[in-house]
Amino acid sequence: DQQVKQNSPSLSVQEGRISILNCDYTNSMFDYFLWYKKYPAEGPTFLISISSIKDKNEDGRFTVFLNKSAKHLSLHIVPSQPGDSAVYFCAASASTGNTPLVFGKGTRLSVIA
Amino acid sequence: DVKVTQSSRYLVKRTGEKVFLECVQDMDHENMFWYRQDPGLGLRLIYFSYDVKMKEKGDIPEGYSVSREKKERFSLILESASTNQTSMYLCASSEGASGDAEAFFGQGTRLTVV
Repeated sequence: DQQVKQNSPSLSVQEGRISILNCDYTNSMFDYFLWYKKYPAEGPTFLISISSIKDKNEDGRFTVFLNKSAKHLSLHIVPSQPGDSAVYFCAASASTGNTPLVFGKGTRLSVIA
Repeated sequence: DVKVTQSSRYLVKRTGEKVFLECVQDMDHENMFWYRQDPGLGLRLIYFSYDVKMKEKGDIPEGYSVSREKKERFSLILESASTNQTSMYLCASSEGASGDAEAFFGQGTRLTVV
């Protein structure tokens, strides 16, 4: 059973507009969430994270929002750029017990110039 | 600059061969992981290790084994390669004894079993 779900396999956005990538989780023990970006033939690179004690974390053009009651998080990219075209993975873990990251299936973002 | 290095970018092996995928990290991290990435399936955890000589099964350990003789090195072994093990293999490491640490990934090994 999938504990981290990214229900949109792909998303297409125009350059300059906002990209919103969504992620849902089912395990209530998860309290740390991350987004990774992956280009083809490369390993994933860390983008941004959020702890469950917060509901928002911002880093430049990237903002992650966490809604604990809905077990939902989203990544906003504003403004979107062609170089943002990649696969984005949502990941979650439980900070107590040192559990490995659990990943979603990914969303392929295409930013069109 | 933090680094996780996987020994090969591309590998082609024959069915039935024993395959070794090597991973080295230079960050003195306690934790190391092996994932595989397949289209539509995301990243799935094969094995992980929290310390030298320790290993834990992930979600899909069948057909694989691992070795961690030194802190910086974590090897994934395909005992008898099969075509359904054709995949992108990703090694990662993270620090600490709690789960709130980012994992750093290597560049990946694209393995093709023919």
